[in-house]
Amino acid sequence: GAVVSQHPSRVICKSGTSVKIECRSLDFQATTMFWYRQFPKQSLMLMATSNEGSKATYEQGVEKDKFLINHASLTLSTLTVTSAHPEDSSFYICSAPPNHGATGELFFGEGSRLTVL
Amino acid sequence: GENVEQHPSTLSVQEGDSAVIKCTYSDSASNYFPWYKQELGKRPQLIIDIRSNVGEKKDQRIAVTLNKTAKHFSLHITETQPEDSAVYFCAGGGGADGLTFGKGTHLIIQP
Repeated sequence: GAVVSQHPSRVICKSGTSVKIECRSLDFQATTMFWYRQFPKQSLMLMATSNEGSKATYEQGVEKDKFLINHASLTLSTLTVTSAHPEDSSFYICSAPPNHGATGELFFGEGSRLTVL
Repeated sequence: GENVEQHPSTLSVQEGDSAVIKCTYSDSASNYFPWYKQELGKRPQLIIDIRSNVGEKKDQRIAVTLNKTAKHFSLHITETQPEDSAVYFCAGGGGADGLTFGKGTHLIIQP
């Protein structure tokens, strides 16, 4: 099946610093990447949708200047959490639909656990 | 957009018994309904899915049923085992908006 590789798996940073999370589709072209956030004991909440070569679409309540998304190629999408604060500590996970989303399926990256001190 | 409701939030069953988790959705345009199992700190794993042109699908001990008219779908796990303990999420969607997830069900299998 399709593989999405995400790293880092864990990152600890100081408040005010920026953190970049990368997601790569290893054996298919990901024209779209969905970025989710999951707080402890909660569900996956969609943050934004990135499309290769265009600006990301952010869900209501998600600050686009704080969560910078870049999808410059068909195999790489990045999420940068800028000026991170403790309340940004969460599990961030990317997912991409293979086959240009024709089937509805999503393949998930391994997830990145962000802890902001 | 899609709204997916999931019940119960916690389900405790005796080992060997069956477990049923139910979800409802709001968007009649949704045509893809997967179920994911998530263990602590790991990514969700697809365990079974169903499309809107099918009413039921089964894979060994796991089955999913879909009622398009009522806009609800259910996960059935039979002969539960300790390794079935996890958080299960339903989701709905299938279009350009991706998937909307339910709030999750913590399934506890009691020995």
